[in-house]
Amino acid sequence: DTEVTQTPKHLVMGMTNKKSLKCEQHMGHRAMYWYKQKAKKPPELMFVYSYEKLSINESVPSRFSPECPNSSLLNLHLHALQPEDSALYLCASSQTGSYEKLFFGSGTQLSVL
Amino acid sequence: RKEVEQDPGPFNVPEGATVAFNCTYSNSASQSFFWYRQDCRKEPKLLMSVYSSGNEDGRFTAQLNRASQYISLLIRDSKLSDSATYLCGFGGATNKLIFGTGTLLAVQP
Repeated sequence: DTEVTQTPKHLVMGMTNKKSLKCEQHMGHRAMYWYKQKAKKPPELMFVYSYEKLSINESVPSRFSPECPNSSLLNLHLHALQPEDSALYLCASSQTGSYEKLFFGSGTQLSVL
Repeated sequence: RKEVEQDPGPFNVPEGATVAFNCTYSNSASQSFFWYRQDCRKEPKLLMSVYSSGNEDGRFTAQLNRASQYISLLIRDSKLSDSATYLCGFGGATNKLIFGTGTLLAVQP
């Protein structure tokens, strides 16, 4: 069982909706990540938080807004998404950085209509 | 040159076969190397970290060749349950873990 918990597991939203994806870990990890994965493609890095500060934004459109309320929680706020944003959104954590192994949550399968 | 290059497969092998995958990377500053396994519609799960001296975990052996900038994964005595996509991953001090495109392995009965 994964120690990184993501909710919801599935989400369907319209292009005018606002929704949030949530991620939680209790392993004491200090780095947390959002990845986006389309079918038959590898995970693509979106954001990295290190010690609760945003350290990497991979030129992600502003309709995706990350938030790290504390060291255990990571949110991804979604607004005015496009159908091409439909994908599996994966949260991950590592002890302090990506030179260490990442633990992934089971993901949120997002469909934008 | 792409950051990471990986043969997408599919590799179709019979049960009991030995199969090997390679993954090349272009960033010589990469410091950490991993193999992940991903089942259909599931999250990637760490299979092995890859160390300079090579490492083995049961039927799985990982190797790193820094001079030629590639890592490899060898699976011996393939099982049906080994069928999955195998992703190589490279990380470093920039806090980015970059994945290869994944190699699809299908073990046939």
